[in-house]
Amino acid sequence: TQLLEQSPQFLSIQEGENLTVYCNSSSVFSSLQWYRQEPGEGPVLLVTVVTGGEVKKLKRLTFQFGDARKDSSLHITAAQPGDTGLYLCAVGQAGTALIFGKGTTLSVSS
Amino acid sequence: DVKVTQSSRYLVKRTGEKVFLECVQDMDHENMFWYRQDPGLGLRLIYFSYDVKMKEKGDIPEGYSVSREKKERFSLILESASTNQTSMYLCASSQGGTRTYEQYFGPGTRLTVT
Repeated sequence: TQLLEQSPQFLSIQEGENLTVYCNSSSVFSSLQWYRQEPGEGPVLLVTVVTGGEVKKLKRLTFQFGDARKDSSLHITAAQPGDTGLYLCAVGQAGTALIFGKGTTLSVSS
Repeated sequence: DVKVTQSSRYLVKRTGEKVFLECVQDMDHENMFWYRQDPGLGLRLIYFSYDVKMKEKGDIPEGYSVSREKKERFSLILESASTNQTSMYLCASSQGGTRTYEQYFGPGTRLTVT
């Protein structure tokens, strides 16, 4: 059983549309991170959420940590082609290593 | 800015060859990690190190070894490359301590074993 389930697996939209991707688990976490990986590059950290119910905004991206700290969502407003990439959520394990979800591949066409 | 560099972006090796992948970070991070990334399987941890000369097995260590002789450098070694080790290899680093810190990734090495 996957510790972190991300949905949808793939998403293809037009420029200007809004979208939400999800990261779910049956376990409670002290914090959760979101990364974006562009084709041919390594993942880059977008945000860390630590408090249940927390909402963080990064320009057109809005991140929410669930009240019970078992899930998180990423909402993108007015998507642009530059948002294309693989979106990964990750949680801590054993104090050092991270466990990653399999990610949502987003394609935004103009 | 944190910078993590990897020795090669693309590498082609033959079955049975010994392969060295090197990673260097410039932020004095205690922790360093090696992952492989495959379609449909996501990021899988091979090994990590929380200090010089220390190493811990990740989820898929078979067929790999690592070396950390200096704090800034973490090497992944494929003793005898096989075709099932064709993959994207990603190195990452993070601060040490008891909490899980954010990881900073290198650009990756796409290894093809023929």
